[in-house]
Amino acid sequence: QQQVKQSPQSLIVQKGGISIINCAYENTAFDYFPWYQQFPGKGPALLIAIRPDVSEKKEGRFTISFNKSAKQFSLHIMDSQPGDSATYFCAASVPPGGFKTIFGAGTRLFVKA
Amino acid sequence: GAVVSQHPSWVICKSGTSVKIECRSLDFQATTMFWYRQFPKQSLMLMATSNEGSKATYEQGVEKDKFLINHASLTLSTLTVTSAHPEDSSFYICSARRGQPNQPQHFGDGTRLSIL
Repeated sequence: QQQVKQSPQSLIVQKGGISIINCAYENTAFDYFPWYQQFPGKGPALLIAIRPDVSEKKEGRFTISFNKSAKQFSLHIMDSQPGDSATYFCAASVPPGGFKTIFGAGTRLFVKA
Repeated sequence: GAVVSQHPSWVICKSGTSVKIECRSLDFQATTMFWYRQFPKQSLMLMATSNEGSKATYEQGVEKDKFLINHASLTLSTLTVTSAHPEDSSFYICSARRGQPNQPQHFGDGTRLSIL
């Protein structure tokens, strides 16, 4: 119940295309859903995050879509660029108090020039 | 803002030695810090959570005596890998969070530990 399932494991997208990464959870008490971007040899960097009272959040080329009833959320990267090639992790914070963050398994994105 | 510095970025040492990794929040006070371990091409595995001035809370399966965590101030936490062995070789990453629990974690750039 504490898992966050992420798919696909890897993704190849043409430059300019849309990258879509999906995550699903079971614990309806999760109340904070961040996405992290990680480049090789670096720590994860917070990309964008959403709370369950919002169905969509957009920041530049990055959009989170959140479906509370389906317990799913996804990251959309519009106009994907080679510089977006990285590993992306979805996550959810565990109540009470969000003391822990549960990470998905990660998606390795490669954007072809 | 919200910069987390981790040091060293890479360390190689002989089996049996102890290694200390520092995690500092540079521009904010971190009430909670987290230590993760990451194997190649895998997700982050939470090792322990520490609150300033309190003992760390370790995840199941993580040896407390092996991985000593100290969170002595609101800007510094340390992870000491004691009597390190080759199986302890990994990428260790810290993160820090300020204020309320539902705030984002900010990660350091990790420490690659290689035990010969």
